[in-house]
Amino acid sequence: SQQGEEDPQALSIQEGENATMNCSYKTSINNLQWYRQNSGRGLVHLILIRSNEREKHSGRLRVTLDTSKKSSSLLITASRAADTASYFCATDGNQFYFGTGTSLTVIP
Amino acid sequence: DAGVIQSPRHEVTEMGQEVTLRCKPISGHNSLFWYRQTMMRGLELLIYFNNNVPIDDSGMPEDRFSAKMPNASFSTLKIQPSEPRDSAVYFCASRSGTWDEKLFFGSGTQLSVL
Repeated sequence: SQQGEEDPQALSIQEGENATMNCSYKTSINNLQWYRQNSGRGLVHLILIRSNEREKHSGRLRVTLDTSKKSSSLLITASRAADTASYFCATDGNQFYFGTGTSLTVIP
Repeated sequence: DAGVIQSPRHEVTEMGQEVTLRCKPISGHNSLFWYRQTMMRGLELLIYFNNNVPIDDSGMPEDRFSAKMPNASFSTLKIQPSEPRDSAVYFCASRSGTWDEKLFFGSGTQLSVL
């Protein structure tokens, strides 16, 4: 991809379990953002973490950022079937580059 | 606000035809991005405008692709001539000017070139 890579490419879990997705990127950043994409729809912003922050929470979402390793993780706790979607990280140097995405399936 | 509006929602055309995709960003947003999404290549940034001026078009695949933003409320992405490998979903996104603002995406245009 132009900038980032998510890992794993696909993840399947049972409802109620936690889901962890990782993102690695290539260049220095101002911030890193996570987006969600439901099938056939545009991306929707979930959370932003700035380059001087290490961890951020929003509801059931927890994001970490390690600028020394150029990596970030997104944790979704107590997953629900409605969380089934693709998740992308995006880095904002000046442009906005997206990773390849993690496809999450939450089985009811 | 209606959000970012893209048209058409679906476009089916034959190889060699000209295709024009349209985008209306959110009012007050001064940055606009065009992306292309395919299974093989993921989300690719094609071009980025700031205050109607193209800032970086290094992602535009070749000269067959062109983008314009004649005013703050309208942008077009044109492919001429189109080829089957251009088949993809094309997204437009906008945001307000500051660097820590999130992107708002349109619903995309599903392009099929036969």
